[in-house]
Amino acid sequence: GIQVEQSPPDLILQEGANSTLRCNFSDSVNNLQWFHQNPWGQLINLFYIPSGTKQNGRLSATTVATERYSLLYISSSQTTDSGVYFCAVGGAFGNEKLTFGTGTRLTIIP
Amino acid sequence: NAGVTQTPKFRILKIGQSMTLQCTQDMNHNYMYWYRQDPGMGLKLIYYSVGAGITDKGEVPNGYNVSRSTTEDFPLRLELAAPSQTSVYFCASSFATGVFYNEQFFGPGTRLTVL
Repeated sequence: GIQVEQSPPDLILQEGANSTLRCNFSDSVNNLQWFHQNPWGQLINLFYIPSGTKQNGRLSATTVATERYSLLYISSSQTTDSGVYFCAVGGAFGNEKLTFGTGTRLTIIP
Repeated sequence: NAGVTQTPKFRILKIGQSMTLQCTQDMNHNYMYWYRQDPGMGLKLIYYSVGAGITDKGEVPNGYNVSRSTTEDFPLRLELAAPSQTSVYFCASSFATGVFYNEQFFGPGTRLTVL
């Protein structure tokens, strides 16, 4: 099956800093989503982005499908950004199931 | 819309007991999914359904059963609970045509402990 790798596994930043999270995947995809899992365990949809670039406030994401990677940018970090960020992909050939990476744990220090 | 709702939020089971985790969505999505998340890990697919009456196994189906009698509901059944089933369970739904896939929306999760 499709493999998903996220980096870095852990990231500790001062409030106000910017960060880039990376997701590499091993095959063509028709679905790519970024999630934020907050400290209470809730999964929050950030982006549905199988290709191209999207922005939502301080967050933006870019997926380069031909090179099999996606990037999540967080600018001017706030303590509420802390949590685990997951990338999940769905394969290109009738595979509607999402395969999750192991996540990047982001800790924002006040 | 309430989106995807799950009950219960928390449950403690004894080894060998059975239970059903409930999942309901009100977005008229045809696809529904059950995932489990073990500590420090990403989610893994247990079962999924492409419509009422149709279900299929995911990556980790052993020890679970599902049914899909309506578009809205997709319950997950644990028959003989084992400590290895201690996990957080997430239900999700999406609309897909088999060629075009939309984003999946997740419920709040059920935290299950088997002792």
